[in-house]
Amino acid sequence: NAGVTQTPKFQVLKTGQSMTLQCAQDMNHEYMSWYRQDPGMGLRLIHYSVGAGITDQGEVPNGYNVSRSTTEDFPLRLLSAAPSQTSVYFCASSYGGGKDEQFFGPGTRLTVL
Amino acid sequence: ELKVEQNPLFLSMQEGKNYTIYCNYSTTSDRLYWYRQDPGKSLESLFVLLSNGAVKQEGRLMASLDTKARLSTLHITAAVHDLSATYFCAVVVSGSARQLTFGSGTQLTVLP
Repeated sequence: NAGVTQTPKFQVLKTGQSMTLQCAQDMNHEYMSWYRQDPGMGLRLIHYSVGAGITDQGEVPNGYNVSRSTTEDFPLRLLSAAPSQTSVYFCASSYGGGKDEQFFGPGTRLTVL
Repeated sequence: ELKVEQNPLFLSMQEGKNYTIYCNYSTTSDRLYWYRQDPGKSLESLFVLLSNGAVKQEGRLMASLDTKARLSTLHITAAVHDLSATYFCAVVVSGSARQLTFGSGTQLTVLP
């Protein structure tokens, strides 16, 4: 089991560029989510998915899109990068039903110039 | 809107001492998580607390949950340097689809 994987590990963008952060899990988890972490703060939820084909917004969704075409993958798209999106991005996944532990990926450190 | 507050935000303690980190939350929750994060790393799950009065222990760390007071504590016993990290609590709102709301974290430094 690779667990939750994220690519790339690091990325530098210019303002206005677009890109996709990749997240994949091989544990057949129903629930996947994206968080961002800014210095001195806890993680904040961007978008989440409760299963393939179903996504919803979290606390800070503006400027980001997601889709969930398969159970395994949950990519996060930055449509037009802004300096305010400089952050560390974490993907997480968990089982549905009564199992509660959430597993986090290694993170993607994004800098927008 | 769910608010999660941790205190203290920064904690320096001597090896061998005991201390407690507090996590207060503002609305009904049916589960609470504690995570550890080392600098530049991802989050490591420590505890999942599911019910009022739940207590879990792993090594020198013990977590408890009081849902009536909307309070969780993470108690550190006889701290060692390896426990230096940032600790986060995170709460799931009752009835939600597992969205986590995080506290700001407690940065713990254990001094020799």
